[in-house]
Amino acid sequence: DGGITQSPKYLFRKEGQNVTLSCEQNLNHDAMYWYRQDPGQGLRLIYYSQIVNDFQKGDIAEGYSVSREKKESFPLTVTSAQKNPTAFYLCASNDRGNQPQHFGDGTRLSIL
Amino acid sequence: GDSVTQMEGPVTLSEEAFLTINCTYTATGYPSLFWYVQYPGEGLQLLLKATKADDKGSNKGFEATYRKETTSFHLEKGSVQVSDSAVYFCALSDKDTGRRALTFGSGTRLQVQP
Repeated sequence: DGGITQSPKYLFRKEGQNVTLSCEQNLNHDAMYWYRQDPGQGLRLIYYSQIVNDFQKGDIAEGYSVSREKKESFPLTVTSAQKNPTAFYLCASNDRGNQPQHFGDGTRLSIL
Repeated sequence: GDSVTQMEGPVTLSEEAFLTINCTYTATGYPSLFWYVQYPGEGLQLLLKATKADDKGSNKGFEATYRKETTSFHLEKGSVQVSDSAVYFCALSDKDTGRRALTFGSGTRLQVQP
């Protein structure tokens, strides 16, 4: 079945540590996105990429970094500069110029 | 900028009751509109969509009509079931911005009691 796989499902970060969240899709979609979800709030865009080797900051990019070396992969690194990283992180993808977005099952990040 | 406003939850209904979740939007262009549903601990699933004014999206008994004159996209269902309990998100995609990411409302939690 085609879809988006996020791993791990749960992740814990220590103070001063960088952690990387994985997102892989086998839908052959060009565009990929990372969103952050906080309790009782909607999703906010962190980074997006519309094509391999290119990505843009979203609304809350500070303290995060991404790469897009392969079409199917869009990992997100939560750096130590992100002072409030506890949240549910969702990855999504779609074809360029075509909606809607397909979502993974998310990674829940917590601070130790 | 673009924004989406949803009614606050939780919305608590008895099984077989009528559901309405209000959604209004602000956009610079002519957006596509979506309803997504999120079950506990999961990602979002597309429920329905509409891409132009007066379009009606429908799926699994849910409906929503794109009303440009009132900038609204209210979600309705004639008879809810316990299995409909989830969080519902209204979202828009503004093609004119070129960004193509979604702008979400804050979500509305629906609780259906047997």
